[in-house]
Amino acid sequence: GAGVSQSPSNKVTEKGKDVELRCDPISGHTALYWYRQSLGQGLEFLIYFQGNSAPDKSGLPSDRFSAERTGGSVSTLTIQRTQQEDSAVYLCASNPGIPPGELFFGEGSRLTVL
Amino acid sequence: AQRVTQPEKLLSVFKGAPVELKCNYSYSGSPELFWYVQYSRQRLQLLLRHISRESIKGFTADLNKGETSFHLKKPFAQEEDSAMYYCAQRYSNYQLIWGAGTKLIIKP
Repeated sequence: GAGVSQSPSNKVTEKGKDVELRCDPISGHTALYWYRQSLGQGLEFLIYFQGNSAPDKSGLPSDRFSAERTGGSVSTLTIQRTQQEDSAVYLCASNPGIPPGELFFGEGSRLTVL
Repeated sequence: AQRVTQPEKLLSVFKGAPVELKCNYSYSGSPELFWYVQYSRQRLQLLLRHISRESIKGFTADLNKGETSFHLKKPFAQEEDSAMYYCAQRYSNYQLIWGAGTKLIIKP
């Protein structure tokens, strides 16, 4: 596709359930980011992938959060045992990996934990 | 710690009036700063970056190292400028630090 694609666009789940959020970056973009966007709090960095390098996981808020990037392309963010405070919009972004590059964002996955 | 501050959560101005969205950043010898915009039901996208020194959709932003500011300005606001605006500063080769965002509402 022409842009970063994320799915699902909306996810409602019950507390304690696991969720998976998917991101398909722009073809050829080696860098991929996950952010969490909460109202009034800006974008919170979660994890960064660059090519085959070890990801920077320093932003993951707890061990319930994990992410993978298979084949240097599609990424999945997994949240285990969801809590209400996990409710937010999860944004994925990619760029060609040549700093200082522009970030290209997906439309986000809105997660609501009941 | 590195920090980007957008003091206004909400800014409301009339169409045709000047608009200024404030952004202050942490001191850094050679800061690299950006403005991103998110229109209603659209994805977050780059509006402008200071190294380009360009004007996009009538917006400009000047880096003021003395005041550690990178305020976004437009002389005559238009209704289509209503959106959420985020200021960001490059923190490392790949990391950005984001402000909390300012919601701009242009009243007709």
